[in-house]
Amino acid sequence: RKEVEQDPGPFNVPEGATVAFNCTYSNSASQSFFWYRQDCRKEPKLLMSVYSSGNEDGRFTAQLNRASQYISLLIRDSKLSDSATYLCVVNIREAGTALIFGKGTTLSVSS
Amino acid sequence: NAGVTQTPKFQVLKTGQSMTLQCAQDMNHEYMSWYRQDPGMGLRLIHYSVGAGITDQGEVPNGYNVSRSTTEDFPLRLLSAAPSQTSVYFCASSRPGQGARAPEAFFGQGTRLTVV
Repeated sequence: RKEVEQDPGPFNVPEGATVAFNCTYSNSASQSFFWYRQDCRKEPKLLMSVYSSGNEDGRFTAQLNRASQYISLLIRDSKLSDSATYLCVVNIREAGTALIFGKGTTLSVSS
Repeated sequence: NAGVTQTPKFQVLKTGQSMTLQCAQDMNHEYMSWYRQDPGMGLRLIHYSVGAGITDQGEVPNGYNVSRSTTEDFPLRLLSAAPSQTSVYFCASSRPGQGARAPEAFFGQGTRLTVV
């Protein structure tokens, strides 16, 4: 079983839609949690860190449930530019060193 | 500010050849790591380092060697290339976390390697 599981999608939504991605992780000792974004054939870039209290950055909201080992990302008012692959990531050792990635969820936003 | 620089960007190797993928960062980050990305597999951790002289294995270390003689550089060596090592390789660097603040990892643009 992979340590980080995501629904691969693809999610095809119209502009303005709200879309939610879910992720589960198996290592209860995981220390840090992230959502990264990857555009086609590009390097991953940090979208947002995820904290137990939940956090929001504009149209993006991330939630972490440590008891259920579950991470979510909500995107409101989707834009064409949100089309990308969203990677759920956990860190299992010294913060920032050993990132374990889910396979990614592909989002396609259409006009 | 260059960030994380990987060279080469593209490489074709014959089975059995050896080569080194270069990774350099100019952000004075302590942590560096190597990942490979294959279709349908996501990124998988190969090796990582928490500082000069310190390295450790990740999820898929077999067939690869690393060393960290300086803070800036973290080369990845393929000892005897195999077709199964055809992949896109990403190098990343980051600072240690501070309290509850989780650090961002910065990635290079990747090296696309084909082994024939």
